[in-house]
Amino acid sequence: EVQLVQSGAEVKKPGESLKISCKGSGYSFTSYWIGWVRQMPGKGLEWMGVIHPGDSDTRYSPSFQGQVTISVDKSISTAYLQWTSLKASDTAMYYCGRLPHWYFDLWGRGTLITVSS
Amino acid sequence: EIVLTQSPGTLSLSPGERATLSCRASQSVTNNFLAWYQQKPGQAPRLLIYGASSRATGIPDRFSGSGSGTDFTLTISRLEPEDFAVYYCQQYDRSPTWTFGQGTKVDIK
Repeated sequence: EVQLVQSGAEVKKPGESLKISCKGSGYSFTSYWIGWVRQMPGKGLEWMGVIHPGDSDTRYSPSFQGQVTISVDKSISTAYLQWTSLKASDTAMYYCGRLPHWYFDLWGRGTLITVSS
Repeated sequence: EIVLTQSPGTLSLSPGERATLSCRASQSVTNNFLAWYQQKPGQAPRLLIYGASSRATGIPDRFSGSGSGTDFTLTISRLEPEDFAVYYCQQYDRSPTWTFGQGTKVDIK
């Protein structure tokens, strides 16, 4: 089955670091870009950035440049999204997705991040 | 950055009715690089349309996309109960400043 499996929900405190994952299976992981999208509670979808698992080419939306880091370990077909110092405003659902072009044809189920003191 | 404005914000319709959703871009979207997604509560989005008018795999033919330049439309010919959801457009014309519209909610009248 072609799928993206995301890591589980997290509850963190402000200032803590975090790395969430997105594992692809059932297809050639290095042939498609992987992207990340944020959805804040009750809000719409926001592009964060993308990475190509084949060569780790990474592109960030200007709104998220410097705020997060996207990485990949192609040996285990897994992409990552990480923060060094979380803020309450990072509370959101985060989706990863596969991009055959620059649109998503396959989505993970999402990882809910809650940042609260 | 291309800003996408979707209208209306909410569309209240009955099953069997036709739904017409609009997505307007602040600049021309070249090559019709526009996609539509459906999102139901508690679920990830699902791709419906790419390239402005190509249906994604497994999408029923009651969903159709049209338009070019700055004006795009998603039409659901006859609403089924499972079609009540939020719909987003997304342009993928300008790397890496791809953007989503703010969404249109289709709810039951």
